Amino acid sequence: ETGVTQTPRHLVMGMTNKKSLKCEQHLGHNAMYWYKQSAKKPLELMFVYNFKEQTENNSVPSRFSPECPNSSHLFLHLHTLQPEDSALYLCASSPTLAGGPTDTQYFGPGTRLTVL
Amino acid sequence: GQNIDQPTEMTATEGAIVQINCTYQTSGFNGLFWYQQHAGEAPTFLSYNVLDGLEEKGRFSSFLSRSKGYSYLLLKELQMKDSASYLCAVVDSNYQLIWGAGTKLIIKP
Repeated sequence: ETGVTQTPRHLVMGMTNKKSLKCEQHLGHNAMYWYKQSAKKPLELMFVYNFKEQTENNSVPSRFSPECPNSSHLFLHLHTLQPEDSALYLCASSPTLAGGPTDTQYFGPGTRLTVL
Repeated sequence: GQNIDQPTEMTATEGAIVQINCTYQTSGFNGLFWYQQHAGEAPTFLSYNVLDGLEEKGRFSSFLSRSKGYSYLLLKELQMKDSASYLCAVVDSNYQLIWGAGTKLIIKP
């Protein structure tokens, strides 16, 4: 496979469940990101990892817990979520964090999460 | 605060030209990206501007005016497959991407 893959594509969970989202990139990038995308709202950056080290945590509630075991894999562990957490969760990667044209972020297809 | 403004929705006709505007107020500026996102799919990179002026790439062009905090994406010879959301994002002084809410473009035959 190439690019950025995410599993599962769709997830329905109750508020007491524990689940994990998985992201894998096959691009040799060193930076990985989790975003939340809600309808008609800007993408919300949740977490950033650079060379497996977390560099950003944008005031995300502790019911979201990221894990980055290596530069190719990123997980988002979910527990005791709320209905307002229902959204599309996108993973992205980029070569580095420098932000220029060579650091274009490549996105996965996302996981559509519904919390009942 | 930091803010990116784009129209929520636009409609255009197949074969026509459409311009999607983006205005921004950010702490610093280190470039501006345009992404395309089809419904249910990943955002994909369209263009990057860091200097003033027009960047042309086939049917798509992107313009930047840093003094006005303004960019636009110009789509020519519209095709039905161009129906998608178009996201504007600015790289701020901390090299973080600040995203707009996106413009949903509807193409009619």
